[in-house]
Amino acid sequence: NAGVTQTPKFQVLKTGQSMTLQCAQDMNHEYMSWYRQDPGMGLRLIHYSVGAGITDQGEVPNGYNVSRSTTEDFPLRLLSAAPSQTSVYFCASRPEGGRANEQFFGPGTRLTVL
Amino acid sequence: ELKVEQNPLFLSMQEGKNYTIYCNYSTTSDRLYWYRQDPGKSLESLFVLLSNGAVKQEGRLMASLDTKARLSTLHITAAVHDLSATYFCAVGNNAGNMLTFGGGTRLMVKP
Repeated sequence: NAGVTQTPKFQVLKTGQSMTLQCAQDMNHEYMSWYRQDPGMGLRLIHYSVGAGITDQGEVPNGYNVSRSTTEDFPLRLLSAAPSQTSVYFCASRPEGGRANEQFFGPGTRLTVL
Repeated sequence: ELKVEQNPLFLSMQEGKNYTIYCNYSTTSDRLYWYRQDPGKSLESLFVLLSNGAVKQEGRLMASLDTKARLSTLHITAAVHDLSATYFCAVGNNAGNMLTFGGGTRLMVKP
């Protein structure tokens, strides 16, 4: 299993540009989520999904869109990038059921918005 | 709103010493997670604590949870350089669909 994969690893955008951060997992996990990590801070939840066709907002959803058409993929879209969205983005997944709810994180995408 | 606070934010210690990282959270939860992050890397799961009084140990690290005090601790015994990293605690909500992270403790172990 490749686990949770993310592309690209690095990206530089200009203000106002749009892009999609890709996330995929091959563990058949129902739950997937996106976090951002700013310097010196913990991760903050952007959006999450509990299954194909179901998404919901996290703590900091503004400026981001998500969709979940398959169990494997959970892309994160920035419609009009802003410098405040410069961050490292992590995708995570976990299986449904049980109480542990332990999440597995991808390698991250470092995004800079100029 | 759930708030999670870790202290200290930065810890520099000598090899061989013991120390404890504290994680306080503001609302009731019985799901507490500890992660390790090396510079430029992703998060690695260390411990999952799911009940009051839970204690888990792996090598030189031991984590505990006191849900009544809303406090978890990560104890480091006889630190070694390889433990240098940033450690995060995270608290799960009751629905199990959100994690709220603390700000992290950057640990530096000096020879």
